[in-house]
Amino acid sequence: GAGVSQSPSNKVTEKGKDVELRCDPISGHTALYWYRQRLGQGLEFLIYFQGNSAPDKSGLPSDRFSAERTGESVSTLTIQRTQQEDSAVYLCASSRGLAGVDTQYFGPGTRLTVL
Amino acid sequence: QKEVEQDPGPLSVPEGAIVSLNCTYSNSAFQYFMWYRQYSRKGPELLMYTYSSGNKEDGRFTAQVDKSSKYISLFIRDSQPSDSATYLCAKRGSGGSNYKLTFGKGTLLTVNP
Repeated sequence: GAGVSQSPSNKVTEKGKDVELRCDPISGHTALYWYRQRLGQGLEFLIYFQGNSAPDKSGLPSDRFSAERTGESVSTLTIQRTQQEDSAVYLCASSRGLAGVDTQYFGPGTRLTVL
Repeated sequence: QKEVEQDPGPLSVPEGAIVSLNCTYSNSAFQYFMWYRQYSRKGPELLMYTYSSGNKEDGRFTAQVDKSSKYISLFIRDSQPSDSATYLCAKRGSGGSNYKLTFGKGTLLTVNP
C-alpha cells in the first residue's frame, strides 16, 4: 500500500517568509509525528498527534513553529518568519497508535532551505 | 550528556566484511532500542527493534544491547553494496511518552564492491 507522503519534496525560501509543509499519513494510522533532521544531527522530535487527544508540542523549538492535523488524516507544519537555522529536512511519520510496539513509518521528508 | 550518542563515521568497508555499528546511551532505565536505516534522500526505515538486553537476529543483521555498559550494537554479516546507507540508533521514551523516539546522529556506511 501507499506509504507516508510529504510535499513539497524541496522548498527554498527567503528569510522572513512563512512556509507550510504537508504530510499524508498511511491510511488508518491514528498517530502522526513530525521530526527535524539538521545536517550532521540526529532526528529531533517536534510534535505528536494521536487521534483526538491534545497533541504533544513539547519538541517545537519556538513559537514560530506550529502544526495542525485534520482528524486522522493530513497534517501541516507551518514555520513563520523563517530563519536560516530552520534549514533542515522535515520528516513526517505515522503509526497505528498501538499501546505496545508501535512502528513509526517515515515519509521521504521535505528539504527546506532558507536563504 | 546526550541520551543517545553515536559515532557519525563515515565507515567504509569492502563487500563481504562484517560491520559493527555502535551507540551508547545515558540512562540504564532505557529499555527499548531501535535501529533504522536511511538511504540518501529517503526517510528512515525500521531495521530492528530490541527490548532490554541480549541479542536479536534477523538474517544478516544482529542487534545487541549490553545494559552493563549501556552500549547498543548492530552487526551486519556479509555486507553488500546495497547496505550502503546511514544507520540510526534510537531509544523509545518511557511511560506516557513511549511514542517519543530519541535518535543518535547516524553512522554513514559505504560498502565497496
